[in-house]
Amino acid sequence: GDSVTQMEGPVTLSEEAFLTINCTYTATGYPSLFWYVQYPGEGLQLLLKATKADDKGSNKGFEATYRKETTSFHLEKGSVQVSDSAVYFCALTTTGYSTLTFGKGTMLLVSP
Amino acid sequence: DTEVTQTPKHLVMGMTNKKSLKCEQHMGHRAMYWYKQKAKKPPELMFVYSYEKLSINESVPSRFSPECPNSSLLNLHLHALQPEDSALYLCASSQGSGADLQFFGPGTRLTVL
Repeated sequence: GDSVTQMEGPVTLSEEAFLTINCTYTATGYPSLFWYVQYPGEGLQLLLKATKADDKGSNKGFEATYRKETTSFHLEKGSVQVSDSAVYFCALTTTGYSTLTFGKGTMLLVSP
Repeated sequence: DTEVTQTPKHLVMGMTNKKSLKCEQHMGHRAMYWYKQKAKKPPELMFVYSYEKLSINESVPSRFSPECPNSSLLNLHLHALQPEDSALYLCASSQGSGADLQFFGPGTRLTVL
């Protein structure tokens, strides 16, 4: 079955540091890939997405590139802010299926 | 309008109570979802409605009863819940039911005493 593996957290960074959160996947078919963010006490918000190989999703300074050869979709940001502190979920869905497969989530803590 | 709304925001109920969670979207989406999320865990899919018909039920106990009165509304009726059912309940919607982007609501924080 489909699966998503994310790096364990929490990831603790100082403001303006570079962020990478690793995500790899296993899927049958041709998945679409997503990063969702969940701020404390809130629901999930879509951060970015990519629907085919070599696509780069980007939003709010975050980027991720769909790498089919390494089955990866790593999340990066050049300079994190305290307001980026949240839990980040990598997820996929496969053509023809309606279920999202989530990774376990990675908590990011950014200190001033 | 690209928003999914959920009411109530918080709910506390006893094990003998009957309550309902409500979800609404006005994006013209034809698929709607209920998820359950425990602390520090990813959301777990409970139900999927596609074109107002239940298409997926992930072996959820019968004390949870979903209802889709129309394409914009999704309810989750709760009865005889257990304390372990305390969680954040998230609603989501998507254009269709196949590999489409899902938009999530803010959730209802449920506590069962």
